[in-house]
Amino acid sequence: NAGVTQTPKFQVLKTGQSMTLQCAQDMNHEYMSWYRQDPGMGLRLIHYSVGAGITDQGEVPNGYNVSRSTTEDFPLRLLSAAPSQTSVYFCASSYTPGTGGEQFFGPGTRLTVL
Amino acid sequence: GQQVMQIPQYQHVQEGEDFTTYCNSSTTLSNIQWYKQRPGGHPVFLIQLVKSGEVKKQKRLTFQFGEAKKNSSLHITATQTTDVGTYFCAGFKAGNNRKLIWGLGTSLAVNP
Repeated sequence: NAGVTQTPKFQVLKTGQSMTLQCAQDMNHEYMSWYRQDPGMGLRLIHYSVGAGITDQGEVPNGYNVSRSTTEDFPLRLLSAAPSQTSVYFCASSYTPGTGGEQFFGPGTRLTVL
Repeated sequence: GQQVMQIPQYQHVQEGEDFTTYCNSSTTLSNIQWYKQRPGGHPVFLIQLVKSGEVKKQKRLTFQFGEAKKNSSLHITATQTTDVGTYFCAGFKAGNNRKLIWGLGTSLAVNP
């Protein structure tokens, strides 16, 4: 199993550009989520999904869109990049949120917006 | 905003010294999880505690969940340089198992 994979590993954007961060998992996990990590801010939840076709907002959803058309994939779209979105983005998955359980994290995408 | 406070923010120890990080929640948690993130890496799951007053050990690491399920601690005995990293606690609020609430983490540095 590859676990949770994220692409790209690094990305530089100009203000106003759009892009999609890819996340995929091969563990048949129902629950997937996106976090951003900034120095001193810990991990902040952007969006999450409890299954295909179901998504919901987390703590900091503005400027980001998600969709979940399959169990495996959970892409994060930046609609119009801003310097404030410079961050490290992590995708995570787990079996079901209701029972807690281990969150498996991808290796992260380091995004810089100029 | 953050509803799980984690202290200290940083800790610098000599190799062989003990280390403890504490998490306190303003609300009752259904469970508490602990993660370790090495510099430049991603968070890696260490353990989950579910029961009130639960204590679990993993070699030199001891994890506790408070009786009221609002606080937790991670204690490392005789730190080693391999313990370097940031330790995060995270929990689900009781009655809401969809959003994991994270502490800000404790960064541990170990002098050899």
